[in-house]
Amino acid sequence: DAGVTQSPTHLIKTRGQQVTLRCSPKSGHDTVSWYQQALGQGPQFIFQYYEEEERQRGNFPDRFSGHQFPNYSSELNVNALLLGDSALYLCASSFGGAGGQPQHFGDGTRLSIL
Amino acid sequence: SQQGEEDPQALSIQEGENATMNCSYKTSINNLQWYRQNSGRGLVHLILIRSNEREKHSGRLRVTLDTSKKSSSLLITASRAADTASYFCATDHRGEGAQKLVFGQGTRLTINP
Repeated sequence: DAGVTQSPTHLIKTRGQQVTLRCSPKSGHDTVSWYQQALGQGPQFIFQYYEEEERQRGNFPDRFSGHQFPNYSSELNVNALLLGDSALYLCASSFGGAGGQPQHFGDGTRLSIL
Repeated sequence: SQQGEEDPQALSIQEGENATMNCSYKTSINNLQWYRQNSGRGLVHLILIRSNEREKHSGRLRVTLDTSKKSSSLLITASRAADTASYFCATDHRGEGAQKLVFGQGTRLTINP
């Protein structure tokens, strides 16, 4: 039973570039959430996708966008990268899109901006 | 601002001792969850306690929830070196259409052999 998988594991970019991160949810899950975790901090909610639509968004600028595909996998895109975007980006999956259940996390993508 | 705030920020104890971490939040919740994160890894779900529950157990873990004080605690009994990790509480908000977890900054737990 495959868990949540994210790719790539590490990525180095320079300011102003664009990046795409990918996530495959746990088998049987249809809901994907993205979180940003700065060093020494707790994860911060970016947005959630369910039925290929963005259902809720955290306090992140429009430079952060996403997509969910019919197979429930998801992408996170960040444009015009800033130094402050350096962080661990975590994907979490669940079933049904509603609350009240645990989320299953991948090991994240470590993004470094030079 | 983030809802969950953990206390203490760091905790160092001897193997075999009990570890207690506390979490406070600001507004009404559907449930509160605790997660563990080993260095450089993703988060692992430990336990979920609903707003109408007061205490929950899972193996060596005991979680309490006091909605009147908007606080929760996580107790790890008979700690082991493998329990060394960061622990986060996350609140699942009442009235939100989708599940948005709000995490605190975490407690870094170190178990000394």
